[in-house]
Amino acid sequence: KAGVTQTPRYLIKTRGQQVTLSCSPISGHRSVSWYQQTPGQGLQFLFEYFSETQRNKGNFPGRFSGRQFSNSRSEMNVSTLELGDSALYLCASSHGNQETQYFGPGTRLLVL
Amino acid sequence: KNEVEQSPQNLTAQEGEFITINCSYSVGISALHWLQQHPGGGIVSLFMLSSGKKKHGRLIATINIQEKHSSLHITASHPRDSAVYICAVMNYGGATNKLIFGTGTLLAVQP
Repeated sequence: KAGVTQTPRYLIKTRGQQVTLSCSPISGHRSVSWYQQTPGQGLQFLFEYFSETQRNKGNFPGRFSGRQFSNSRSEMNVSTLELGDSALYLCASSHGNQETQYFGPGTRLLVL
Repeated sequence: KNEVEQSPQNLTAQEGEFITINCSYSVGISALHWLQQHPGGGIVSLFMLSSGKKKHGRLIATINIQEKHSSLHITASHPRDSAVYICAVMNYGGATNKLIFGTGTLLAVQP
């Protein structure tokens, strides 16, 4: 099976812009979780989607949003970008609840 | 205080040494993950365990639920084991795959 894929891999944006990141989970996986990794805060949970429904959200402002499509592919959107949004954004998929998560390679976002 | 604490933060070892990385947590969990992250960012799940011990090749992971503690051991370490090792816990609660992460242990194995 193909692994989790994320696009784009690298992205440069300026403050105030918005960005959309994409994640394609492993075939058959219904859960997609998104994480942000920064040198200062480490890895933090953003949100999780399961069968097109958001069922968990981390402590991030409303500028961070996401959705999941019927084929389980997921997108996350960040509006009004700030310098502090520069990070590695990782998504992970799993088949069901409480199961091993498989991580994508990440999207490295730089906000100038 | 972080909900998931790892020690040590940095570890340098000589090739062939036995390595132990520790993880303590303060929340109720349903499972604990050990993850490996190489330079460049990719994360690989090494183990997911909720009790006892698991072994895969030279890697061994143990968990003590009563003491809220887990250890990752690497036997006969090799330079290719150099990476960041991250402990993450899955909150007890059923319908969630949310992970809470430790800060990671940077391991460097020298030849």
